[in-house]
Amino acid sequence: GGIITQTPKFLIGQEGQKLTLKCQQNFNHDTMYWYRQDSGKGLRLIYYSITENDLQKGDLSEGYDASREKKSSFSLTVTSAQKNEMAVFLCASKQGASERLFFGHGTKLSVL
Amino acid sequence: GDSVTQTEGLVTLTEGLPVMLNCTYQTIYSNPFLFWYVQHLNESPRLLLKSFTDNKRTEHQGFHATLHKSSSSFHLQKSSAQLSDSALYYCALSGGYKVVFGSGTRLLVSP
Repeated sequence: GGIITQTPKFLIGQEGQKLTLKCQQNFNHDTMYWYRQDSGKGLRLIYYSITENDLQKGDLSEGYDASREKKSSFSLTVTSAQKNEMAVFLCASKQGASERLFFGHGTKLSVL
Repeated sequence: GDSVTQTEGLVTLTEGLPVMLNCTYQTIYSNPFLFWYVQHLNESPRLLLKSFTDNKRTEHQGFHATLHKSSSSFHLQKSSAQLSDSALYYCALSGGYKVVFGSGTRLLVSP
């Protein structure tokens, strides 16, 4: 088995601040994902990465940057936090186009 | 682009009644994979079901679904709801490496 570790678990930021979320997986999966979870809006894809150093934009990429410098890690940056923003960011990984996703436990973001 | 549409919002049921959560999709891929994920309170989503070939039923933990390409559907069903089935259910579409989710359906089962 494997595990996906997201850090930090809770992130409190100020309006306009750049914030970075990190994700590590030890499944040795090629493909990694970042999703944003908002109540009533489901899981929206921000970025995904098919392999090391690859980046693909999802439907919600505006306002975010991502980085995949190693196969095992995938980081997400909120370029300018929005006031009163509150969401959970979920990292996931899988091996192969037809396979299931494995999820981390999430980073809960609050912006003051 | 790819999209998934689910039964909206909240579905409330009495224990013992059948469950049916709808999922339809749009995709350019001729052989998409459809999934149902379940998320219990304070947990992350985990896989419940994955589609097989067209018109073939897949089952797990009492739930079942059948991919119907003709109607672009992958509805989730269970014959008898249990209290422990109360959770958030997501239908997801995988075409290539991109995976998109529907907006989720919250199922609440009461005694």
